Amino acid sequence: GAGVSQSPRYKVAKRGQDVALRCDPISGHVSLFWYQQALGQGPEFLTYFQNEAQLDKSGLPSDRFFAERPEGSVSTLKIQRTQQEDSAVYLCASSLERGKSNQPQHFGDGTRLSIL
Amino acid sequence: KQEVTQIPAALSVPEGENLVLNCSFTDSAIYNLQWFRQDPGKGLTSLLLIQSSQREQTSGRLNASLDKSSGRSTLYIAASQPGDSATYLCAVRHNFNKFYFGSGTKLNVKP
Repeated sequence: GAGVSQSPRYKVAKRGQDVALRCDPISGHVSLFWYQQALGQGPEFLTYFQNEAQLDKSGLPSDRFFAERPEGSVSTLKIQRTQQEDSAVYLCASSLERGKSNQPQHFGDGTRLSIL
Repeated sequence: KQEVTQIPAALSVPEGENLVLNCSFTDSAIYNLQWFRQDPGKGLTSLLLIQSSQREQTSGRLNASLDKSSGRSTLYIAASQPGDSATYLCAVRHNFNKFYFGSGTKLNVKP
C-alpha cells in the first residue's frame, strides 16, 4: 500500500513480557517518528529517526523502550519487561523531508497495546 | 517545554453550521503547525499544514489560520456535515524533530 503500515494492529501481553511493534513507512520517506497515545490524549513524542540514525530519543519513557531502523526503512519499537502503564496506542509517522523541514507527517493506524 | 492546548475539548453542532476550533501554544518559535483529524481506532489524517511564515491555509471547506506571535491557530469548518465528526488535533513542530500535540477537540455533527 501507499500509506504507513503498522503491525500488529492489536497486541495483548502479560506484564513482564517483551513486545515488538513494527512500522513500515512510506517508501522513500527519510524521517520516521514514534508516538505514544493514551486514551483521550494527543500523541506524545517518543523518538525520531532520520534514515537509520536515531537523532532524538528523549521521549522514550524508560530504558525498557528501544527503537531501531537499521536500514533506514522499516522500524521496530521494542518494549522490554512490559508494565501495565505501557498500555496505549503506539503510532508511527513518516515524512519525506529530504532537506526540507516543513513536510507533513503521515501516520499509520497504530498498534493498540494492552498489558494484562 | 512547548505546551499545546485545544479548546473546546468537545463540541456538538447541528449539520450545516460553521464552526471554529482553537489551538494555542506557549512557545512561538515553531517551524510549522499541522491540523489532523482522527477517527476512532484510526491513525491521524493530515488536513492542513501551515508554515511558520504563513498566515493561513485552505482546503475545501477547511481554513486554518496561524498567528505565531500570539501563539494561536484556528481551524474553521464551513457548512459542517455528519462525516466531519471526529477528533481534531493540532500539532506544532518545535525544534527540527519535535512535534507537540494538543489533546484534541471531539466534534459531533448531528444530522
